[in-house]
Amino acid sequence: KAGVTQTPRYLIKTRGQQVTLSCSPISGHRSVSWYQQTPGQGLQFLFEYFSETQRNKGNFPGRFSGRQFSNSRSEMNVSTLELGDSALYLCASSWGGAGTGELFFGEGSRLTVL
Amino acid sequence: DQQVKQNSPSLSVQEGRISILNCDYTNSMFDYFLWYKKYPAEGPTFLISISSIKDKNEDGRFTVFLNKSAKHLSLHIVPSQPGDSAVYFCAASAQTGFQKLVFGTGTRLLVSP
Repeated sequence: KAGVTQTPRYLIKTRGQQVTLSCSPISGHRSVSWYQQTPGQGLQFLFEYFSETQRNKGNFPGRFSGRQFSNSRSEMNVSTLELGDSALYLCASSWGGAGTGELFFGEGSRLTVL
Repeated sequence: DQQVKQNSPSLSVQEGRISILNCDYTNSMFDYFLWYKKYPAEGPTFLISISSIKDKNEDGRFTVFLNKSAKHLSLHIVPSQPGDSAVYFCAASAQTGFQKLVFGTGTRLLVSP
């Protein structure tokens, strides 16, 4: 079956702009999580959506937001971009119920802020 | 505050030998631990996990050990193969069944022929 699909794969923005990233989860998965990966910081949890509701949230400023649609597809938005937002943004899906916590990751969207 | 720490940024091992990757955590509320492997230009892929009620879990060449008193876990790969060369992330969760994982910074493993 198709894996987690993230678009766009690469993008370049300038400071102050905003960006929207998209994630299509594996068919049947109802939970979508977003992570930010930067050198030296590992993967840091942004937020998780389940059935169109934000279920968990990490420690990121309000400039980072997300949403989930009825078909489980998710988008995340970063407004007023800063240089430090340059990172690989990873989306992960799972069926969302009690279980192992295994996540299936997409290949990521690499954002460069100039 | 890094709640999950992988203190070795890199590890080099010869093919056929054992690779041991270490991970320490500080939050005693963590009750589920996972290892993910990441190749360049790919997303992380799940490797193996362990619940806090166990101290060992095996899956083929991969074994994860958990020492709760020391808040330490390790991943053993035996025998190591060149295809195992990747970045390995340790992750922990305080809410089993939920998706808020806390990841370490990763250890780059290089297995040479």
